[in-house]
Amino acid sequence: GAVVSQHPSRVICKSGTSVKIECRSLDFQATTMFWYRQFPKQSLMLMATSNEGSKATYEQGVEKDKFLINHASLTLSTLTVTSAHPEDSSFYICSASQDGWGDYGYTFGSGTRLTVV
Amino acid sequence: AQTVTQSQPEMSVQEAETVTLSCTYDTSESDYYLFWYKQPPSRQMILVIRQEAYKQQNATENRFSVNFQKAAKSFSLKISDSQLGDAAMYFCAYRSPDSGTYKYIFGTGTRLKVLA
Repeated sequence: GAVVSQHPSRVICKSGTSVKIECRSLDFQATTMFWYRQFPKQSLMLMATSNEGSKATYEQGVEKDKFLINHASLTLSTLTVTSAHPEDSSFYICSASQDGWGDYGYTFGSGTRLTVV
Repeated sequence: AQTVTQSQPEMSVQEAETVTLSCTYDTSESDYYLFWYKQPPSRQMILVIRQEAYKQQNATENRFSVNFQKAAKSFSLKISDSQLGDAAMYFCAYRSPDSGTYKYIFGTGTRLKVLA
């Protein structure tokens, strides 16, 4: 079945530094990937839609200069949290669909727990 | 805009018993997709079951089945013979068929506890 690998699973960084999170589709090509943020005991909040070869589409209220998304290949999307601050600490999850539209569901990465100290 | 509501923040079920999780949604579209996802303590999202709105037949996957009531915009998940491994957060999700909108709209989730 479709597998999405997300790395790293946990990261701790100092305030003011940048952190990059990778999302890879291992056995399929994904023209579209999604990035979510999840706070403890809450639902997934869509941050942005990552499109291969073009600019990402950000949801309202998400700072595009803070959360940089690059989808340079059909199997890799990256989320860079720039100048991270403690309030950026959260659980970040990516997802992708083998069929490109998610008609049969999206496959999710295992998530990245970011802690900014 | 579409919305998804899960009115039960937490549910408990005795092992081997049956439990139903509720989900309602609001949409003006006639054709769409609905999903239930499970998020165990590992936080890995796992697809449980999907339903295509144009199909009247309720989807079933082993111990998991749905009660899809299109007119009422209701999409409940029934878990039969509950097992300890079913304990997790369950999210209902809506996906528009609009080619420009492939994203999910998630409900707020229901935490299911399974009692031994």
